[in-house]
Amino acid sequence: DAKTTQPTSMDCAEGRAANLPCNHSTISGNEYVYWYRQIHSQGPQYIIHGLKNNETNEMASLIITEDRKSSTLILPHATLRDTAVYYCIARTDSWGKLQFGAGTQVVVTP
Amino acid sequence: EPEVTQTPSHQVTQMGQEVILRCVPISNHLYFYWYRQILGQKVEFLVSFYNNEISEKSEIFDDQFSVERPDGSNFTLKIRSTKLEDSAMYFCASSEFVYEQYFGPGTRLTVT
Repeated sequence: DAKTTQPTSMDCAEGRAANLPCNHSTISGNEYVYWYRQIHSQGPQYIIHGLKNNETNEMASLIITEDRKSSTLILPHATLRDTAVYYCIARTDSWGKLQFGAGTQVVVTP
Repeated sequence: EPEVTQTPSHQVTQMGQEVILRCVPISNHLYFYWYRQILGQKVEFLVSFYNNEISEKSEIFDDQFSVERPDGSNFTLKIRSTKLEDSAMYFCASSEFVYEQYFGPGTRLTVT
C-alpha cells in the first residue's frame, strides 16, 4: 500500500471548514484513499473513502486530485467534537488490514 | 446503531499471566480484526480473521497471541504469557463485507 504524508497538526476555528491535506504520490490505480479519525484514545472511526471521484457523506467530503497523488478531507462546519487525530490511509484490499500512520492532530478552537 | 463492544475496559495483570480480551463484533459482520496502540504511538494491526481462520497477521502476532471465535458472537484475543511491552490499548474491529471497519472502544491492558 502506498505511503501517505500528512501534516503533523492543524488548528481550525469552530464553525469554519477544516481542510485536511494528504499526499499519496505513489498511489496505484487500484488503491483507495480512506480517512479515519481517533478521538482521544477511543477506537478509530471511519469517515469516508474514495477511489477516483469526489465523495460526500454526512460527515465529510473527500476531494481527490485528478492525478490521484493527493486528496483533501473537508469537514464543512467544524465543531469542538471534531478535535481528533485524522488518518489518511491508502489501501488496496477492500477488506484487509488498515495501516495507520501518525495522522494529523486537528484542534478545533472556539 | 449497532456497535462493537469490548470487555473489560481495563485489565491489569502481572507479567507472565495469561489474559483474554473479549469482543462482540456487529452481528452480521464477517471480518474481524485486532489492533493495538501503545501509549503515544500509532495504531498497529495485529491480526485479521475470516471464515473461522486467520487471514493475515503481523510480526507482532507471535506464538504468544491467539484468536478465537468460540461462538457466534464473541471474538477473543488471548495473550499466553504477558510481557511488560504488551501494555497497550487493544482495539477490536469488524466489517460486513468490504471497506469500512467499525472499531470498539478498546481494552486498556496494563502489565505490571
